[in-house]
Amino acid sequence: LAKTTQPISMDSYEGQEVNITCSHNNIATNDYITWYQQFPSQGPRFIIQGYKTKVTNEVASLFIPADRKSSTLSLPRVSLSDTAVYYCLVGDRPAGSARQLTFGSGTQLTVLP
Amino acid sequence: DTGVSQNPRHKITKRGQNVTFRCDPISEHNRLYWYRQTLGQGPEFLTYFQNEAQLEKSRLLSDRFSAERPKGSFSTLEIQRTEQGDSAMYLCASSYSGTGGLIGYTFGSGTRLTVV
Repeated sequence: LAKTTQPISMDSYEGQEVNITCSHNNIATNDYITWYQQFPSQGPRFIIQGYKTKVTNEVASLFIPADRKSSTLSLPRVSLSDTAVYYCLVGDRPAGSARQLTFGSGTQLTVLP
Repeated sequence: DTGVSQNPRHKITKRGQNVTFRCDPISEHNRLYWYRQTLGQGPEFLTYFQNEAQLEKSRLLSDRFSAERPKGSFSTLEIQRTEQGDSAMYLCASSYSGTGGLIGYTFGSGTRLTVV
């Protein structure tokens, strides 16, 4: 399983765009990149998944460069309610069919007023 | 459907006691997972069921831990002879294999176990 490295914490202000970058230098050809969000006292929530280039949904965008050794989760115009821990995961199956997910310690995003 | 439901939300037990947690997945989901999360860390995989079959177990799942999914619907996780090191949040998740894995798991809110 590819190891991921993320910043431990980030601060932002309401209304700003936030970019969280994850390094996964030994990502394998078949690996997918998935991001989860977790609020205190709740389970993680799937945000977005990608394999290459750019993926966008109603919540976030995921940018993956050609070498796939890193990825960036972009949250547009964050609000206080986006304060959470964000996890970057890499695995050889799509997010919902993986037999197990390997979480790191994640990035604590704090959105300030 | 209200998502993945876990009961109880909190459990305080004395060391050496047995505890059992229940997870009710989303009804049409055929896959069910248990994870454990300690403070400041990401969730760690414990075990995985497809329908009623337990297909994978982590080495974290010692012989004091047992999980069942008797009819392929709800699941229970039992911890026997609890130790203080078992204190953690126990998370259940479910997914449906028919989506091709495109939408990820759905996690419950977890059961927080405190062993005193």
